[in-house]
Amino acid sequence: EVQLVESGGGLIQPGGSLRLSCAASGFTVSSNYMSWVRQAPGKGLEWVSVIYTGGSTNNADSVKGRFTISRDNSKNTLYLQMNSLRAEDTAVYFCARDGGSSWYNYFDYWGQGTLVTVSS
Amino acid sequence: EIVLTQSPGTLSLSPGERATLSCRASQSVSSSYLAWYQQKPGQAPRLLIYGASSRATGIPDRFSGSGSGTDFTLTISRLEPEDFAVYYCQQYGSSQTFGQGTKVEIK
Repeated sequence: EVQLVESGGGLIQPGGSLRLSCAASGFTVSSNYMSWVRQAPGKGLEWVSVIYTGGSTNNADSVKGRFTISRDNSKNTLYLQMNSLRAEDTAVYFCARDGGSSWYNYFDYWGQGTLVTVSS
Repeated sequence: EIVLTQSPGTLSLSPGERATLSCRASQSVSSSYLAWYQQKPGQAPRLLIYGASSRATGIPDRFSGSGSGTDFTLTISRLEPEDFAVYYCQQYGSSQTFGQGTKVEIK
């Protein structure tokens, strides 16, 4: 059974850093494209970052230069390093498995999400 | 960036009724790279439809997707109690963007 479990969210001051983790089971992270998608409180969904099987990455313009997606193949875990956090980054962050192998894809499995609150 | 506009914002229906949700794109969505998701409060989104009309694994056949170009539709043929939720469309043909959602509520 495919499972994704996020952790690492919390309250952080503007300008601070946080690293989110997503532990996967039931499949191999490095053999799939993997993404982070976020949802601000009461709002819609926004794709954030993707890491491809070869290790290359792509980010939404809203987080370019501040967020870095990575993975640890030995731990079958996905990460999102978030630096220079802003109030507008406040959201539930979901990790998700890409369902296809195109440059952009739909998401066939999602974690339960972890809340990041950026506030002083 | 392709902007997706979903309508209506809220759909009030009774169990057993048919639901028709619309997703309109500001530009043509290449190769019908359009997906639909269902989200219930406090839960992650759940993939329903991809490629505009292909049902995801385990999705009941009362859910169907159609459309191409700039106009797409999600139809729920007969609403079950568990279908009352928010539905999002997503295009993944040119970067990826989501619609703002349609809430299907019990009338």
